[in-house]
Amino acid sequence: QSALTQPRSVSGSPGQSVTISCTGTSSDVGAYNYVSWYQQHPGKVPKLMIFDVSKRPSGVPDRFSGSKSGNTASLTISGLQAEDEADYYCCSYAGRFTSVFGSGTKVTVL
Amino acid sequence: EVQLVESGGGLVKPGGSLRLSCAVSGFTFSSAWMTWVRQAPGKGLEWVGRIKSKIDGGTTDYAAPVKGRFSISGDDSKNTLYLQMNSLKTEDTAVYYCATGHPDIMHFDYWGQGTLLTVSS
Repeated sequence: QSALTQPRSVSGSPGQSVTISCTGTSSDVGAYNYVSWYQQHPGKVPKLMIFDVSKRPSGVPDRFSGSKSGNTASLTISGLQAEDEADYYCCSYAGRFTSVFGSGTKVTVL
Repeated sequence: EVQLVESGGGLVKPGGSLRLSCAVSGFTFSSAWMTWVRQAPGKGLEWVGRIKSKIDGGTTDYAAPVKGRFSISGDDSKNTLYLQMNSLKTEDTAVYYCATGHPDIMHFDYWGQGTLLTVSS
């Protein structure tokens, strides 16, 4: 049950798009369409941004989008804004009613 | 309004035990799957374990690092989730969050504010 692999950091200028990858295995990301993404600002509680690979909870801006191909899921932030600067974590169902989080990615808005 | 409020964190010596609580309101606790997630200082999120609702059997599942040492339970009469932690190690030091996606079970819409456990001699 190793953590899913995410890049340590990504950055972009306001208005640009950034994509965060989340690589797992055929036992977790590749096996189920239950990938979710969480945003966490420093000292704050994680917030759900995407669930079931590509669905957005109400209230989450549509510039956040998710996708999956094989064992890799991705979160794309389009039209990057200053308030998007935060840590992002993916999470996947891993079978036998367990889940696994990604290693986390720090998004910096230049 | 859904609220999850953790309590019980503190300083414990290695090898010691502690029980965390998570008081729930705003939904029917007895029908919810509840999860514990932890975050070591300056580190990422780590899934700790989950308890199914009573309706779905009330069984529990744990991450490998805590299996056999941690135990999750719930008291429907008190709308409270528990995490019993035994044989604590320094690497268990973290903020512990309870979370749920009720009525969904595969993601986490609602999180508590977290409670800090420090394991140190």
